[in-house]
Amino acid sequence: EDKVVQSPLSLVVHEGDTVTLNCSYEVTNFRSLLWYKQEKKAPTFLFMLTSSGIEKKSGRLSSILDKKELFSILNITATQTGDSAIYLCAVATKASNSGYALNFGKGTSLLVTP
Amino acid sequence: DSGVTQTPKHLITATGQRVTLRCSPRSGDLSVYWYQQSLDQGLQFLIQYYNGEERAKGNILERFSAQQFPDLHSELNLSSLELGDSALYFCASSVGGQADSNQPQHFGDGTRLSIL
Repeated sequence: EDKVVQSPLSLVVHEGDTVTLNCSYEVTNFRSLLWYKQEKKAPTFLFMLTSSGIEKKSGRLSSILDKKELFSILNITATQTGDSAIYLCAVATKASNSGYALNFGKGTSLLVTP
Repeated sequence: DSGVTQTPKHLITATGQRVTLRCSPRSGDLSVYWYQQSLDQGLQFLIQYYNGEERAKGNILERFSAQQFPDLHSELNLSSLELGDSALYFCASSVGGQADSNQPQHFGDGTRLSIL
């Protein structure tokens, strides 16, 4: 059975701190790993990673994938209260009828305090 | 705003009933995906349609069914509802339908289903 595990489950930091969120996976037919941010409603797309060792960056957020060790990290530097959210890691796997599914971890809840 | 539209936002109904959730994908997207999010299970993949055809199936119960229409909107039908079906149901869409297309899924705001 495909498995995606995120850690920590929950994190409370002060504004300005740097945080690292972890995602490890055991899946068959790996295609890509995605990070989403979920505030009150829809998960919003952050990054898609397909190749090992290539860092993706967007402002204060960055992410990297290690396909040999089967994990990814999401870094957030100089955190702001607006970064408070649940961060979801998902692994895209190929399905039998040429479709694909996202297998989600349970998420890391991040609270940034002023 | 992701461009994915889900209706209704909230549904309250009783056990044993049947409901239909509706999703309109982003303009240009051919694939629609349905997910269930509950507190204890997290986000669980239910089913994928691509241009009207079923492409992938996850842990979808036999009481649940979906379809995608020629205008690409999709409906998720839930029948013989049980208390445990209470959850947030998300629809997502993407341009392509294959994992190798390397295109992310974009999510709607979800429909919150409450079973009394």
